[in-house]
Amino acid sequence: LAKTTQPISMDSYEGQEVNITCSHNNIATNDYITWYQQFPSQGPRFIIQGYKTKVTNEVASLFIPADRKSSTLSLPRVSLSDTAVYYCLGASGGSYIPTFGRGTSLIVHP
Amino acid sequence: DTEVTQTPKHLVMGMTNKKSLKCEQHMGHRAMYWYKQKAKKPPELMFVYSYEKLSINESVPSRFSPECPNSSLLNLHLHALQPEDSALYLCASSQDLGEPYNEQFFGPGTRLTVL
Repeated sequence: LAKTTQPISMDSYEGQEVNITCSHNNIATNDYITWYQQFPSQGPRFIIQGYKTKVTNEVASLFIPADRKSSTLSLPRVSLSDTAVYYCLGASGGSYIPTFGRGTSLIVHP
Repeated sequence: DTEVTQTPKHLVMGMTNKKSLKCEQHMGHRAMYWYKQKAKKPPELMFVYSYEKLSINESVPSRFSPECPNSSLLNLHLHALQPEDSALYLCASSQDLGEPYNEQFFGPGTRLTVL
């Protein structure tokens, strides 16, 4: 299993950039790194996915170094509505079954 | 239509009841999933269906019985549950299984309470 480790919680303020780092030391060669966002009592929602280097979409950026043993989700200029749990997923050792890590609870303050 | 729907939203049942959770998607996805999520914990994978066949059962107790009647529907039949089975049950779908870049689409979940 591609086990992932990420901080349990983070605090930020509106307008700041937030970076959440996830470590995945035993990531398999074929594994992609995927991040999901979850609000209370809702299903997770896909944010971004990458294999290596940098990926950017309208919501976030994802940085993956060359060794792929970690990744960083970057949320630019967060707002109160970005308060949620963010999950870093590694696929299960090449089986492509995504495995949720413990998640990072991000709280954005006014 | 990029939506996964789940019914009911809430369910309260006794330990002797039989009930079913339903999930539906019309995105043409061929992989469907059931997850269980306890409060302040990540979703835990229970079952995976691929092309209407059960591909993965993560050692789930037999009181949970999944069913995939067709490519758009996924059911979870519940019988003789325990109070510790109370949780949010999430359904998800993805285009396929066995690809490294599958995006999963999740439903809103069914909040189950077992008395």
